[in-house]
Amino acid sequence: GAGVSQTPSNKVTEKGKYVELRCDPISGHTALYWYRQSLGQGPEFLIYFQGTGAADDSGLPNDRFFAVRPEGSVSTLKIQRTERGDSAVYLCASSLSGTGGTEAFFGQGTRLTVV
Amino acid sequence: QQQVKQSPQSLIVQKGGISIINCAYENTAFDYFPWYQQFPGKGPALLIAIRPDVSEKKEGRFTISFNKSAKQFSLHIMDSQPGDSATYFCAASTAGGGNKLTFGTGTQLKVEL
Repeated sequence: GAGVSQTPSNKVTEKGKYVELRCDPISGHTALYWYRQSLGQGPEFLIYFQGTGAADDSGLPNDRFFAVRPEGSVSTLKIQRTERGDSAVYLCASSLSGTGGTEAFFGQGTRLTVV
Repeated sequence: QQQVKQSPQSLIVQKGGISIINCAYENTAFDYFPWYQQFPGKGPALLIAIRPDVSEKKEGRFTISFNKSAKQFSLHIMDSQPGDSATYFCAASTAGGGNKLTFGTGTQLKVEL
């Protein structure tokens, strides 16, 4: 596609439920990133994929969060047993490579609200 | 040590004026410093970026000034326009960090007529 696509745009879920957020990166981009942006804050790094493998998952807050990229393209961020504190905008970004300084292109995000 | 501090939190500038946003970092391993612009409901978009081997980079009305010894860098928007009203984030990454970005807390800029 022309840009990074994230679905759904908005997701409201009840506390304790499981959610999946999807990211379609720019075609040909080998590096894919998930960030979380709370209201009034900058994006915070969650996880980075190079190809199919998670090269750096140091930003995942706890074991309720998990992400996959099985074919090296689309990625899914999975959150189990959601808590109200998980409410935020989840941003996905992709870049041509994981080399430092390569431009990262962001999607418009998925706004997750846990009620 | 990964923190990037950004100021001010918000800024109001008159049309045609200069907008200045400042950032400071601690990690001397950072070697790429981009600025992102974000409009409501959209993802951040790269505006301009600099590496520490130069002290200034200019692209149109946007200039980054970089002070390696002080570990500070700033964004200057010349001739600010109402269309520049957005939230601006500074960020930083390391060469071996997989292009992982550490963001500042953001500056909400409003350009008034």
